[in-house]
Amino acid sequence: EPEVTQTPSHQVTQMGQEVILRCVPISNHLYFYWYRQILGQKVEFLVSFYNNEISEKSEIFDDQFSVERPDGSNFTLKIRSTKLEDSAMYFCASSEEAGISYNEQFFGPGTRLTVL
Amino acid sequence: GESVGLHLPTLSVQEGDNSIINCAYSNSASDYFIWYKQESGKGPQFIIDIRSNMDKRQGQRVTVLLNKTVKHLSLQIAATQPGDSAVYFCAEDFFSGGYNKLIFGAGTRLAVHP
Repeated sequence: EPEVTQTPSHQVTQMGQEVILRCVPISNHLYFYWYRQILGQKVEFLVSFYNNEISEKSEIFDDQFSVERPDGSNFTLKIRSTKLEDSAMYFCASSEEAGISYNEQFFGPGTRLTVL
Repeated sequence: GESVGLHLPTLSVQEGDNSIINCAYSNSASDYFIWYKQESGKGPQFIIDIRSNMDKRQGQRVTVLLNKTVKHLSLQIAATQPGDSAVYFCAEDFFSGGYNKLIFGAGTRLAVHP
């Protein structure tokens, strides 16, 4: 069964450093998402991406964040200068379509980011 | 504003019992509500969804009930098994500007005891 994959599973970085979290969405999916989950809290929407453009972003997704689809398979989230409060689990998701009818978003296993 | 929340943060049940997990939401604009299961160290996994014009939908061992009058969503799990132990999130599929985003509730931990 196709699945979303993410690497690395755990990333430890120093405050102020740049990190890139990588995702490989399901191959025939066209819509991509990043969510984050601070330990013990709910999953929060960060950004959605379609046709090589950001379609929507949340207030969390400030200028320190960027997303990219560098090739036909990868979807990346970059945090330019990490802060302690960026420590969280980051989930990538993808869906085949979008629209008024529900289109299931399939989630990856997540990358745990720890900022020291 | 938009918010989806949960009444019970932790639910402990005996194996074989039925479980009911509840969720209250405040945004009536969404067309779909979804339940996700998250096991330790894994991403959210889709369980079941319900469209806003329905009040009940059944899956395999799970039933979702939607009461739009009181903005309440529940997930019923029949004959709960140890493998059902996880955190359960309700979520709202919010469609705007041609795109979707999920708005999650705070989560309920289900602990199944043998």
